[in-house]
Amino acid sequence: EVKLLESGGGLVQPGGSMRLSCAASGFTFTDFYMYWIRQPAGKAPEWLGFIRNKANGYTTEYNPSVKGRFTISRDNTQNMLYLQMNTLRAEDTATYYCARWDSGYYFDYWGQGVMVTVSS
Amino acid sequence: QITLTQQAESLWVSPGEKVSITCRASQSLLYTDGKHYLSWYQQRPGQTTKALIYHASIRTDGVPTRFIGSGSGTEFTLSIEDVQPEDIALYYCLQTLKKPWTFGGGTKLELK
Repeated sequence: EVKLLESGGGLVQPGGSMRLSCAASGFTFTDFYMYWIRQPAGKAPEWLGFIRNKANGYTTEYNPSVKGRFTISRDNTQNMLYLQMNTLRAEDTATYYCARWDSGYYFDYWGQGVMVTVSS
Repeated sequence: QITLTQQAESLWVSPGEKVSITCRASQSLLYTDGKHYLSWYQQRPGQTTKALIYHASIRTDGVPTRFIGSGSGTEFTLSIEDVQPEDIALYYCLQTLKKPWTFGGGTKLELK
């Protein structure tokens, strides 16, 4: 059974940093592109970026809205996906999801999400 | 970036009725391969987000046949025939034609 479980959220002050983790299980992690998506309360989701699979060199791409502040990485030995967030702002407050991309068609599995609140 | 507009923030429906949720894109989502890069997702409280439709009209595995995706170019529709109580949820469209990928604003399906 495919599972994605995010962790690491909480309250952080503006200007601070936070690293989110996503533990993946039930599939061959290195075969898949992995994504981060966030959703402020009551608003639409926002695609943040992704990291490619082994066949495509684990390279990354980002939404311009977070490029330079957020970094996506993966530990393929531990089946973990990460989102390093720096210089956080109030508008980064949201629930953050990791998701698996199904070979080019759609996000076939999502995590339950983890809340991040940026506030003083 | 491509903007997706879901005009209706909320739609009220009774069980057994048919409902249609629309998604309008700021530019065509048709790629040179002949496919539209538009998918639909369902969010229910306490559950993980679920993909319903991809390439505008193809149901994902296990999605009931009452969920029907249609449309082309810039206008897309998710129809739900014979609405069931478990269909009460938030629905989002997503375009994956051009980065940054963007979601529609969402449509909340509510019971009358």
